[in-house]
Amino acid sequence: DAGVTQSPTHLIKTRGQHVTLRCSPISGHKSVSWYQQVLGQGPQFIFQYYEKEERGRGNFPDRFSARQFPNYSSELNVNALLLGDSALYLCASSLATHTDTQYFGPGTRLTVL
Amino acid sequence: GESVGLHLPTLSVQEGDNSIINCAYSNSASDYFIWYKQESGKGPQFIIDIRSNMDKRQGQRVTVLLNKTVKHLSLQIAATQPGDSAVYFCAENPRSGGTSYGKLTFGQGTILTVHP
Repeated sequence: DAGVTQSPTHLIKTRGQHVTLRCSPISGHKSVSWYQQVLGQGPQFIFQYYEKEERGRGNFPDRFSARQFPNYSSELNVNALLLGDSALYLCASSLATHTDTQYFGPGTRLTVL
Repeated sequence: GESVGLHLPTLSVQEGDNSIINCAYSNSASDYFIWYKQESGKGPQFIIDIRSNMDKRQGQRVTVLLNKTVKHLSLQIAATQPGDSAVYFCAENPRSGGTSYGKLTFGQGTILTVHP
């Protein structure tokens, strides 16, 4: 069975641009969460979506937005990119509830120049 | 505020030894805890989890212990192998009412190095 998939693998952008990252959850999983991992730190929670609705949001500016589609895949959008947005963006999927295990994808490495 | 922290940022062991990685948490409302392993260039890989109504849970070569009195979590790896070398993160998931809420709060991570 396929795990969580993310695209693209790597991305290079310049300041001020916008970016869209994509995630496909494990088949049967209805919840998708997004995390930002800066080098040398643990992942930081950005969003959680369940059944296409936002169920949680971390301490990130409004430049960050996301959505979940009817097939439970998800997109993370970041506008007006800053150098500090350079990080590994991780997507995790889970069945539904908060005690269901979250399984992570390989991440998208975003570099902002 | 909420925080999950690790006492030791690095741990070096010999192959075959047992490893213990520790983690402190501060949110008493957390009722679900997870250990992840992250290898270089990869996403976190689930190792084992434990709910707050348990003190101990065992998996294959791994054991997680939860001490709610002192808000402490540990991961024990038996007969550590070179393939266990990675960064290990503990994470907590606080309950938020009765709704689904999947916000994981991660610690800073411990680098485990296993020498052959």
